[in-house]
Amino acid sequence: DADVTQTPRNRITKTGKRIMLECSQTKGHDRMYWYRQDPGLGLRLIYYSFDVKDINKGEISDGYSVSRQAQAKFSLSLESAIPNQTALYFCATSDLLVGEAGQETQYFGPGTRLLVL
Amino acid sequence: DAKTTQPNSMESNEEEPVHLPCNHSTISGTDYIHWYRQLPSQGPEYVIHGLTSNVNNRMASLAIAEDRKSSTLILHRATLRDAAVYYCIYVPEGGSEKLVFGKGTKLTVNP
Repeated sequence: DADVTQTPRNRITKTGKRIMLECSQTKGHDRMYWYRQDPGLGLRLIYYSFDVKDINKGEISDGYSVSRQAQAKFSLSLESAIPNQTALYFCATSDLLVGEAGQETQYFGPGTRLLVL
Repeated sequence: DAKTTQPNSMESNEEEPVHLPCNHSTISGTDYIHWYRQLPSQGPEYVIHGLTSNVNNRMASLAIAEDRKSSTLILHRATLRDAAVYYCIYVPEGGSEKLVFGKGTKLTVNP
């Protein structure tokens, strides 16, 4: 079984609809991240969470919200989807070990392809 | 932002070595250099990381310049499965929430 799973894998929605993308992990990591990737571009950080009670905005948080329901679950919501939110969305996890600042590895899910009409 | 510069694309033949360059002139002395790759239709995956010394693992080798302003990811024998976009990133001491994934280098491996 995959360590980081994302549901749904593909989603088509209409402008103005609220949608939720879910991420689950079995790695036991405290840190979780949401990224979006647009065609031909790198990944951009939307939100991140270092533990259940911690939520932080990333580079492009406008139009998105997140919920960290448990250590293993991190959901991304689009309150009112718009066409320019059409993209590939990735969830990732990492664990920062004591004394290893800068060495943490991020583990990515398979991605959710979202199309907003 | 922790920005790196990589060629947009490179091409190699199967079973030949590949050297993927990366410039990171603004890196500080405590920032680690990480490489990830993204296979088609998949999420990025970790390849290797290092600080000052050259590093080897089962996937690749990482050669870091003495001044640390550049590094090279070395795939010793490219396979078709190595065709991917390779991202060079450096991680500020504050942690990976500061990661900046640029456009990376798209590697094509010819049979």
